Amino acid sequence: NAGVTQTPKFQVLKTGQSMTLQCAQDMNHEYMSWYRQDPGMGLRLIHYSVGAGITDQGEVPNGYNVSRSTTEDFPLRLLSAAPSQTSVYFCASSYSWGGQPQHFGDGTRLSIL
Amino acid sequence: KNEVEQSPQNLTAQEGEFITINCSYSVGISALHWLQQHPGGGIVSLFMLSSGKKKHGRLIATINIQEKHSSLHITASHPRDSAVYICAPRPGSQGNLIFGKGTKLSVKP
Repeated sequence: NAGVTQTPKFQVLKTGQSMTLQCAQDMNHEYMSWYRQDPGMGLRLIHYSVGAGITDQGEVPNGYNVSRSTTEDFPLRLLSAAPSQTSVYFCASSYSWGGQPQHFGDGTRLSIL
Repeated sequence: KNEVEQSPQNLTAQEGEFITINCSYSVGISALHWLQQHPGGGIVSLFMLSSGKKKHGRLIATINIQEKHSSLHITASHPRDSAVYICAPRPGSQGNLIFGKGTKLSVKP
């Protein structure tokens, strides 16, 4: 099993560009989530999904879009990149929404110029 | 508002020392996770606990739900324990995790 796979690992964008961060898991987990990690701050939840076809906003959803068409995939879209979105992004999954350890991807380091 | 407070923020220890990292939170929770983030950036789950104590190798995690406090202990610390340790309580029975800012541990040989 690969676990949680995130691509790309690094990306540089120009302000206004759009892109999609990919996240896939092969553990048949229902719950998937996207976080951003900024210096001096804890991980912050962007969007999450409790199953295919179901998504919801987290703490910092503005400027991001998600979809969950399959159990395995949970892509994160930046609609129009802004320098404030420069961050390290982590995707995570767990078997269910409550009471289960989360498995994290290796992260995507994103820089917006 | 900081719902999760970790202390200390930074910790330097000599190899072999006993390490304690503390986590206090202000909301009612159903469980609490301890995570380890390696210098390369990867995050792994160490413990998930809702009461009492759990032990895995040299790592011990305790929680006191009434006092809203958890501790992570490392016995006989080793340089490979150098990492950021993150406390993440789960409010309610099916809530999303909230995260502390982490404690950066450096263990010197």
